[in-house]
Amino acid sequence: EDQVTQSPEALRLQEGESSSLNCSYTVSGLRGLFWYRQDPGKGPEFLFTLYSAGEEKEKERLKATLTKKESFLHITAPKPEDSATYLCAVQYAMDSNYQLIWGAGTKLIIKP
Amino acid sequence: DTGVSQDPRHKITKRGQNVTFRCDPISEHNRLYWYRQTLGQGPEFLTYFQNEAQLEKSRLLSDRFSAERPKGSFSTLEIQRTEQGDSAMYLCASSWGRRTDTQYFGPGTRLTVL
Repeated sequence: EDQVTQSPEALRLQEGESSSLNCSYTVSGLRGLFWYRQDPGKGPEFLFTLYSAGEEKEKERLKATLTKKESFLHITAPKPEDSATYLCAVQYAMDSNYQLIWGAGTKLIIKP
Repeated sequence: DTGVSQDPRHKITKRGQNVTFRCDPISEHNRLYWYRQTLGQGPEFLTYFQNEAQLEKSRLLSDRFSAERPKGSFSTLEIQRTEQGDSAMYLCASSWGRRTDTQYFGPGTRLTVL
């Protein structure tokens, strides 16, 4: 069964303490992997799309990487405003409707 | 480009009532998606449109749910005879419709069924 699993469920860090969030997937034929940020009570905000193993993308303190079975979202020297839930979703090649399979998210809390 | 908009942002209704939500996608996006999200979960796919055609509907979706996208622009999602289990955030997203494309989300409509 195609699945996307995110870990940890929640992560508490001190301001400036770097760490990584994990998204592992079991879909066959990955077409794209997406990272979103979601603040409480709001819709997901797009961060990155990764298409193939070895690809990396960066935005401010965030860097996303992709292997054949998982993706990492690295956060460097986080600030309290980085606190949010980070969602991962994959789109796989066998689905002609281009649907996304979503993980449950990692809730990130950055303490000042 | 003002992004995806949804209306209303919040809706409180009594069990058994009908509710309708509206989504205005990013202009020129030809795909429009509806999702439902409950606390601590990722978005759950409900249905999507390519222009005005509804191409897929989740098998988990009750017959009480219906969506339209007349003229391929805005879309409406109606829930008939609401139940307490329908309480959730309803999200709309739109995309260009390419092979691998990014979905951009609206702010969501929070539904509470009493």
